[in-house]
Amino acid sequence: GDSVTQMEGPVTLSEEAFLTINCTYTATGYPSLFWYVQYPGEGLQLLLKATKADDKGSNKGFEATYRKETTSFHLEKGSVQVSDSAVYFCALSDHDTNAGKSTFGDGTTLTVKP
Amino acid sequence: DTAVSQTPKYLVTQMGNDKSIKCEQNLGHDTMYWYKQDSKKFLKIMFSYNNKELIINETVPNRFSPKSPDKAHLNLHINSLELGDSAVYFCASSQSIFRDLNSPLHFGNGTRLTVT
Repeated sequence: GDSVTQMEGPVTLSEEAFLTINCTYTATGYPSLFWYVQYPGEGLQLLLKATKADDKGSNKGFEATYRKETTSFHLEKGSVQVSDSAVYFCALSDHDTNAGKSTFGDGTTLTVKP
Repeated sequence: DTAVSQTPKYLVTQMGNDKSIKCEQNLGHDTMYWYKQDSKKFLKIMFSYNNKELIINETVPNRFSPKSPDKAHLNLHINSLELGDSAVYFCASSQSIFRDLNSPLHFGNGTRLTVT
């Protein structure tokens, strides 16, 4: 079946540091890939997405590139802010199976210190 | 103008009780979901409905019964609550899974259920 593996957290960075959160996936079909962010006390919200190989999703300074050859979708940001502190989830939606069930990674907690 | 709203936000109850959580979306989406998030933030799908029809029913105890009176509402009723049911329950919606699998999920802000 489909699966998503994320870098284990928690991750603690200083403000303006470079962020990478690794995400790799296994899918039987041809998935779309997503990053969601969950701020404290809130639901998940879409951060960015990519629907085919070599697509780059970007939003709020975050980027991730759909790499089919390495089955990866790593999240990056060049300079993090305290306000980026949240839990980040990598997810996939498989076009060929699962009737639209999204598969989520375990989440990575990011804390940014001033 | 909240897109996906669920009530209540907090629910504290005793073991053995029956409780319901309500969810409504005003995005015009056809598909709605219930997810459970445990204390380690792990997210697990429970159910999904497309236009009032059950599509996904994961291995959830039959004490949990979803009901979708129309495509804008998906409620969750839980019978005989147990300690292990304590979690945050999220409702979500998306465009029809039969038309657009690129459509992201839109989540509500969650219901924190505590069973004592």
